[in-house]
Amino acid sequence: SSELTQDPAVSVALGQTVRITCQGDSLRNSYANWYQQRPGQAPILVIYAYNSRPSGIPDRFSGSSSGNTASLTITGAQADDEADYYCHSRDSSGYHLGVFGTGTKVTVL
Amino acid sequence: EVQLVQSGAEVKKPGESLKISCQSSGYVFTNYWIGWVRQMPGKGLEWMGIMYPGDSDIRYSPSFQGQVTISADKSISTTYLQWSSLKASDTAMYYCVRRGSWYIGGHYYYGMDVWGQGTTVTVSS
Repeated sequence: SSELTQDPAVSVALGQTVRITCQGDSLRNSYANWYQQRPGQAPILVIYAYNSRPSGIPDRFSGSSSGNTASLTITGAQADDEADYYCHSRDSSGYHLGVFGTGTKVTVL
Repeated sequence: EVQLVQSGAEVKKPGESLKISCQSSGYVFTNYWIGWVRQMPGKGLEWMGIMYPGDSDIRYSPSFQGQVTISADKSISTTYLQWSSLKASDTAMYYCVRRGSWYIGGHYYYGMDVWGQGTTVTVSS
């Protein structure tokens, strides 16, 4: 199956650490990218190639992977990290299309 | 600066046709895949299809094959998403995205590194 499953919502206290997970069979032999979508905005790439950050993305964002699960960790969450987060990985078409995860809404308390 | 600038919001009636656009700038248009992503109101992201303007190779998600048409005009670095007969269920935000690539540790990695601002399409009678 090429589905990627995420927890619908998580919350984190300001300055604390939160981990967002993404589960799917395709993750056993492929990497996940992560996208952040703030309310009313277009998504942006925050992690690619397991644990690389595009220019301008704070180093409090990190990625990891084990077995069929990829994770995005925010260490020291800030108010503007409140957003929806989507993982993305390959499907049978490879990375030409791939498949998005179901999305996780992160609330910073 | 690499940018994808999309056309403005559209309000259409069921059965009408529509073509929305995404103009690329700041990079060599023919060297990168450009795709389209749908986001229905309050929902997640869905891949629709992707095109390589360099040779016009197009891949559609099975869910959208036959429902939309992706095309490009290399002379103006613009990609298009087209419907011949809209339905109310096409009401959504549509994003164009560039597929970037990185060579790390002997492997190529891919991801959507640039996103357009989105085009809202509303289909209502």
